[in-house]
Parts: sequence; C-alpha cells; structure tokens
Amino acid sequence: GAGVSQSPSNKVTEKGKDVELRCDPISGHTALYWYRQSLGQGLEFLIYFQGNSAPDKSGLPSDRFSAERTGGSVSTLTIQRTQQEDSAVYLCASSFGVSGELFFGEGSRLTVL
Amino acid sequence: RKEVEQDPGPFNVPEGATVAFNCTYSNSASQSFFWYRQDCRKEPKLLMSVYSSGNEDGRFTAQLNRASQYISLLIRDSKLSDSATYLCVVTPSGGYNKLIFGAGTRLAVHP
Repeated sequence: GAGVSQSPSNKVTEKGKDVELRCDPISGHTALYWYRQSLGQGLEFLIYFQGNSAPDKSGLPSDRFSAERTGGSVSTLTIQRTQQEDSAVYLCASSFGVSGELFFGEGSRLTVL
Repeated sequence: RKEVEQDPGPFNVPEGATVAFNCTYSNSASQSFFWYRQDCRKEPKLLMSVYSSGNEDGRFTAQLNRASQYISLLIRDSKLSDSATYLCVVTPSGGYNKLIFGAGTRLAVHP
C-alpha cells in the first residue's frame, strides 16, 4: 500500500530479550518519527529523523533504546533487554519535508511478559 | 507540569449537539498547533491545523489564544462518526522536529 507500514503488528516477548521494530515510511517522505503510546496515555515522542540523521534523540527513555534509518527510508527501533514498562504501542510516522501533518502507521504492539 | 494538557473527558453528547474542547500548552514560544483525531485502537490522523486567526472546516472550528496559551476545538451538529479521541498537538519552537501530543479528550456521541 501507499501508507506507512510497520512490522511486526504484534510482538510478545519475555523480559530481558531484545526486540526490533521496523518502519517503512511513505515513499519520498524525508522526515520520520517514532512515538510510543501506553494504554490510555498520550503519544510520547521518542526520536525524529531527517533523512538518515537523527537531530533529536531527546525522547529515547534509556540507553536500551536505539534507532537507525538507512537509505533515507526504512527505520528500525531496537529495544535491548526489554522490561515490562516497555510494553506499549510503538507508532511510526512520516512526513514530506518538515510538516505538521504526520502520517502514522498502524503501530507495533509490544507486550513484555 | 505537562507541556500540553487536555481534559480527558469523556464528553458524552447527543447527536446534533455542539461540543467544545480546550487544550493548554506551557511553552509560550510554541510555534504551531494542530488537532489530530484518533479512533479506538487506530492511528492518529490530522484533523486540522490551528491558525492565529482561527480557522473553520465544515462543522469544525479551531481557535488559538496565544496570550492565555490555549487552543480550542468546536464541533457543531455532532455526528455519531465524530466519536473519537481528539489530540491537541504543539510544536515547541522553530520547526516540526518534535510534535508534542496531549493525552487527548474522548468524545462519545450517542443517538
């Protein structure tokens, strides 16, 4: 499809395991964002990419979280040594240039047991 | 204090009612403002931008009050399909690299 694609849609893992979440933005969108949303909560900003660069990493909650983007396209969010408090829906969004209109994927629901 | 605050609701209104939501923001240097809509278990989608002069899109009117640091969303003639969570979004300053979302206000429109 033409929208933002995220995988996996659901991931259940055990505490202490590493997980990788993938985001494939809309073709041609240069800006890419990661947010997370816990049950009943608002969206928490994690990181922003412009091209392959991440000028703003201020939202990453700890050094267990990292993200990269390659080829100005696909991005991967990696969470190492997962904890139960990492359980949330991880949302990726992209936009054309610098814009207030973000197009979100359907999210990756992470459950850490 | 949260950067963006909203009344979580829920606002329960009958079809045809007019309903208004407010949102306050803490950073006076905030540049741009938006309302997003999020349906249950779905991703957020842009509803409308909020301009200094206010703007209207059909049944929806958004207004900005910089002096008091709040924005509002007015929905007239509510429809069942308006039931959703409405997210207030603010960019801190100087660009769109970090859109800050409020926790949202839930609206339930009933027959």
